[in-house]
Amino acid sequence: AAGVIQSPRHLIKEKRETATLKCYPIPRHDTVYWYQQGPGQDPQFLISFYEKMQSDKGSIPDRFSAQQFSDYHSELNMSSLELGDSALYFCASSSGQNYGYTFGSGTRLTVV
Amino acid sequence: KQEVTQIPAALSVPEGENLVLNCSFTDSAIYNLQWFRQDPGKGLTSLLLIQSSQREQTSGRLNASLDKSSGRSTLYIAASQPGDSATYLCAVRMDSNYQLIWGAGTKLIIKP
Repeated sequence: AAGVIQSPRHLIKEKRETATLKCYPIPRHDTVYWYQQGPGQDPQFLISFYEKMQSDKGSIPDRFSAQQFSDYHSELNMSSLELGDSALYFCASSSGQNYGYTFGSGTRLTVV
Repeated sequence: KQEVTQIPAALSVPEGENLVLNCSFTDSAIYNLQWFRQDPGKGLTSLLLIQSSQREQTSGRLNASLDKSSGRSTLYIAASQPGDSATYLCAVRMDSNYQLIWGAGTKLIIKP
């Protein structure tokens, strides 16, 4: 079965650079979520989209933005990167409220 | 404010034992509860999803129960194997929004 696809798997950026993470949800899933997981921490909710509209917002810094496109894939744009942005970034998708979340394998971002 | 607690934080048992991981939550008005597995540096794999109206779910050697009124869920792993070694996270979804509220996880080590 198709899973949630995230790209790239690994990304190394320098401070103050920009990064774009991509997420392709499971086909026919209408909701996408972004989570950030720092070393040894539980995942922190950043933002979610339902039917291409932002549905909920968590602890996403103002330097970050995200959107969901017409094909339901989502991109997380991160600007003015800081060392503290180094983390695993997970995308998850779901279909409505009755079902659980399926997570992608994550993108490991390292800011140097 | 919902708080999710997982006990124990770490557990090391010999192969073949049956074991129970615990998850408790302070606000019983949950929509569903999901158990995940996370291998070091990797993504989150959904194990079991229990809707608020359900009492338990089973998948292979895993059984998850939910007692919403007492704010507790347990994940039972039968006949543990070294391949079960991972961090197990429980997360609850509230009625009002899409966010998952995470426990800190139980790090499980199964010794051969």
